[in-house]
Amino acid sequence: GESVGLHLPTLSVQEGDNSIINCAYSNSASDYFIWYKQESGKGPQFIIDIRSNMDKRQGQRVTVLLNKTVKHLSLQIAATQPGDSAVYFCAENPRSGNTPLVFGKGTRLSVIA
Amino acid sequence: DGGITQSPKYLFRKEGQNVTLSCEQNLNHDAMYWYRQDPGQGLRLIYYSQIVNDFQKGDIAEGYSVSREKKESFPLTVTSAQKNPTAFYLCASSIRGGDQGPQHFGDGTRLSIL
Repeated sequence: GESVGLHLPTLSVQEGDNSIINCAYSNSASDYFIWYKQESGKGPQFIIDIRSNMDKRQGQRVTVLLNKTVKHLSLQIAATQPGDSAVYFCAENPRSGNTPLVFGKGTRLSVIA
Repeated sequence: DGGITQSPKYLFRKEGQNVTLSCEQNLNHDAMYWYRQDPGQGLRLIYYSQIVNDFQKGDIAEGYSVSREKKESFPLTVTSAQKNPTAFYLCASSIRGGDQGPQHFGDGTRLSIL
């Protein structure tokens, strides 16, 4: 079946540096992707999304890049802050009928002050 | 404020007991979802509902049951048939099932076994 996975399960970054979190997806028909942030004991929080007709989208301090050729998605966080410490999930819409999003396993981001 | 409310935040189950987790949304979303999250793991889909009075099994539906009698409510029952129920349970909703749009999550219920 299709899967969404992550290259790195943990990432440690110095405060003020930029963070890059990667995600590989296997379903070439997927046409919508989302990044979520989950803090301890809370539900995932929507960060940013991107549709397959785009290769880049920017938000406040965050940028999502989509490379459909290699089926790769990344989340870039500029000037990482301690409050960015959390688990980050990517999710894809596999577009096979009315099926829910498929989630990756997550990457834990730790910001070193 | 619009959002998704899950209750209770913590729940304990005795052996052989059924327990029901509540999920209510006031976002006027058609679709609702239940996920299970184990420590250090991603989200696994239990059940989802795209419209009132209709729902489908997800990847790990065994030992769980749901109902969708009202648009704003999607309760999950963890039955005694679920032998390993200890987990963090997350409810989500989206405007329409299968449509391109994000799911919005509640803050979860942590279920433990006594």
